[in-house]
Amino acid sequence: GAGVSQSPSNKVTEKGKDVELRCDPISGHTALYWYRQSLGQGLEFLIYFQGNSAPDKSGLPSDRFSAERTGGSVSTLTIQRTQQEDSAVYLCASSLAGGGSEQYFGPGTRLTVT
Amino acid sequence: GENVEQHPSTLSVQEGDSAVIKCTYSDSASNYFPWYKQELGKRPQLIIDIRSNVGEKKDQRIAVTLNKTAKHFSLHITETQPEDSAVYFCAASGGNTPLVFGKGTRLSVIA
Repeated sequence: GAGVSQSPSNKVTEKGKDVELRCDPISGHTALYWYRQSLGQGLEFLIYFQGNSAPDKSGLPSDRFSAERTGGSVSTLTIQRTQQEDSAVYLCASSLAGGGSEQYFGPGTRLTVT
Repeated sequence: GENVEQHPSTLSVQEGDSAVIKCTYSDSASNYFPWYKQELGKRPQLIIDIRSNVGEKKDQRIAVTLNKTAKHFSLHITETQPEDSAVYFCAASGGNTPLVFGKGTRLSVIA
């Protein structure tokens, strides 16, 4: 079946512009995660949605970052007033249930802020 | 909250040798411990996981061990092959809490 998809695959933007990154999780998966991965680095947790519960936003690095998940499915990560340090690969993952089940990762969006 | 430490950060082994990567966790409530493999330019993928009701799990050349008392778990890869070269991430979770990942180990298998 279809896996996790993300769009766009690549995004180049000018410093100060806003960007929106999209994630389509696997159908039926109640949990959705966003991570940031800088070149050669680990997986930095950003935000976690689980069912109808309030999202865990503890990983968002600043108030320029926000995310929504509409209808328990598609999620959008928004970065306002982008900075060069925001350049990274943004990975989305979904799982059937909460933290105790396998996460399936999307291909990522490579964001470059010039 | 949970904190996961992973060692070593880099590991080089000769083809055919074994590789061991170790992780420790802080939250005694954690009960799910997966390992992910990320090849260069690709997304992370689950290779094996273990739950706290078992101490060891094996899948062909890969095995994971868990010591709940000491709060550490390890990944063992035997008879390493060049295609095992990748970054490996351990993680821990207490169920409904999000997975917390280690910082990764870059494994290089030298032919």
